[in-house]
Amino acid sequence: AQSVTQLDSQVPVFEEAPVELRCNYSSSVSVYLFWYVQYPNQGLQLLLKYLSGSTLVKGINGFEAEFNKSQTSFHLRKPSVHISDTAEYFCAVSDMTGGSYIPTFGRGTSLIVHP
Amino acid sequence: EAGVTQFPSHSVIEKGQTVTLRCDPISGHDNLYWYRRVMGKEIKFLLHFVKESKQDESGMPNNRFLAERTGGTYSTLKVQPAELEDSGVYFCASSHGPYNSPLHFGNGTRLTVT
Repeated sequence: AQSVTQLDSQVPVFEEAPVELRCNYSSSVSVYLFWYVQYPNQGLQLLLKYLSGSTLVKGINGFEAEFNKSQTSFHLRKPSVHISDTAEYFCAVSDMTGGSYIPTFGRGTSLIVHP
Repeated sequence: EAGVTQFPSHSVIEKGQTVTLRCDPISGHDNLYWYRRVMGKEIKFLLHFVKESKQDESGMPNNRFLAERTGGTYSTLKVQPAELEDSGVYFCASSHGPYNSPLHFGNGTRLTVT
């Protein structure tokens, strides 16, 4: 079965600084990868996804992520964060384990942007 | 289009009581998922419906949990009797398909069992 590791539970950063949120996964087969964002008192929203093709994917709000198969990673980056990026970010992976593509989520990383 | 709707947004019940959570997916979405997040931990899969059929319920913790999806539309998740460890945020999500479609989430139901 696949698993997702988000090592950083909290990432504090100052406004306009760059940020990277780390995500590693374990899977022995081809994967689909996702980043979701959850703003306070809201549900999760899709930020970006990797299905195939270019390993660098761009999402909404200026975020991007790079799929690295050899390192089994899918780190999320943004070159300059805003206060409004303060939220919780979840990495998710789905593969054909067990005959289905049920997405597995990490425990989330809380991004805290300080003025 | 209307998003995924969950009701109630919060529920506080005593151990041993029964609670029913409801989810209305996006119209036309055949796939419906239930997930649960215990505070600070990962969002864990509970079960997956395709239309009215349970496709995968491997994540259901025990037989105190019962999920239904009437006519392939809305879904309910009943916990009976509730235990302290059932506390958490229960998320419902839906997708149109196919298998690599992103999920559309509701705002969740925060369940507190005291």
